[in-house]
Parts: sequence; structure tokens; C-alpha cells
Amino acid sequence: DAMVIQNPRYQVTQFGKPVTLSCSQTLNHNVMYWYQQKSSQAPKLLFHYYDKDFNNEADTPDNFQSRRPNTSFCFLDIRSPGLGDAAMYLCATSRSAGSYEQYFGPGTRLTVT
Amino acid sequence: AQSVAQPEDQVNVAEGNPLTVKCTYSVSGNPYLFWYVQYPNRGLQFLLKYITGDNLVKGSYGFEAEFNKSQTSFHLKKPSALVSDSALYFCAVRGWGNNRLAFGKGNQVVVIP
Repeated sequence: DAMVIQNPRYQVTQFGKPVTLSCSQTLNHNVMYWYQQKSSQAPKLLFHYYDKDFNNEADTPDNFQSRRPNTSFCFLDIRSPGLGDAAMYLCATSRSAGSYEQYFGPGTRLTVT
Repeated sequence: AQSVAQPEDQVNVAEGNPLTVKCTYSVSGNPYLFWYVQYPNRGLQFLLKYITGDNLVKGSYGFEAEFNKSQTSFHLKKPSALVSDSALYFCAVRGWGNNRLAFGKGNQVVVIP
């Protein structure tokens, strides 16, 4: 089945130690998104790629970076995680903008010790 | 700017009773409206969307939603709630040409056996 896959499902990192979360999709969608979600709050968009075009949200900290080496994969890099970065990170894809729904992966739960 | 309001924090309903989760939106131009459901420690699952046409939209798991342009609302409904419908529900809106979804804060639905 076509789907959005996130690895790992659970990640523990130390304060200040760089960490990378990965997302892959078999949907061949043009758009890939990264969201941060804390304790049953609404997902907060960090950035998205439309094909190779990177779109950063104005309030996304510089600590967060992303790479999309090809259509199928997208990575979230947290350069120096702080305790406040502990959250669920959700990857989503969409065929295009406008009327197309987003398909979400299961998420990666990040713990910072 | 685009935004969504979900006025209630939690909706409690007895199993077998009708379920309604309220959503109002604000967007420039015609809206694309979505409902998502999230179970604990999972990603968001797409339920249904309104793009154009019939104001009553039917989606997954027996859910439906009614678009009301004059009231700028898109309430989610289910005629007979199940205990398994207990989850977090998000309403979202996207304006034409916009890659970003604006999510509401979410509503926790609790279906009481």
C-alpha cells in the first residue's frame, strides 16, 4: 500500500546532540511537510517542500533544518535539541496545493534528556 | 490569512447518540475544508473534505460534514457514535493557491459506553 513512513517511531537524544528524523513516501506526491505537535495541540508547520522548492515558516527556529534529496525522502535535522523541542514530529505529503488532502505518517516521538 | 476555530475543548457523547464537532473558518476566497482524526500516538488520518458542489460531504467511518457558506462553518457529524470514535478531531482550511493548511486547536471526543 502507498503510504508515508517515518523512522524511527521513537527517538531519544541528549540535550545539544544533533538528531535526524526521516520520512519517506510511496505516493509520489510533490509536496512534503514537517510539523511539530505538542501534547494534543494542533500540528505546527515547520516547513515544506514543493518539489525541490523549500518553504520555511517565519517562526521556525534556525535550529531546525530540512533536506529533500529526492521525491521520496525528506529529512528533519535538529542541530542542537533543547528540552523544548521534545514533541511529536509529523511528516505529511500532498499531491499538490489547493484541494488536495495531506497524508500523514505515524510520527516520531522525540524525547530530549 | 486563514484560520479555524473549534470552540469546544471536549465533546462527550453517549454511544449510539449523534455526534457533532463544530468548526468555523476564515479564509480569503473559496475555502478548501478538511477534517482529520488522530488516535493516541498516531499521525492524523484524513476523514473528508469539501471542495465544491454539494454542501453535505460524506467521508470515512460514517462521518459527514456540512458546509455552510453564510455561517462559515463546516461541522462534522455522525448519526450514531461508537466508542471507537473516541479520538482527537482537527478541522483545517486552505485557501486557493496556498500550500499551507490552517488547523483548528482540535476537539477531544469521548464516547461513553
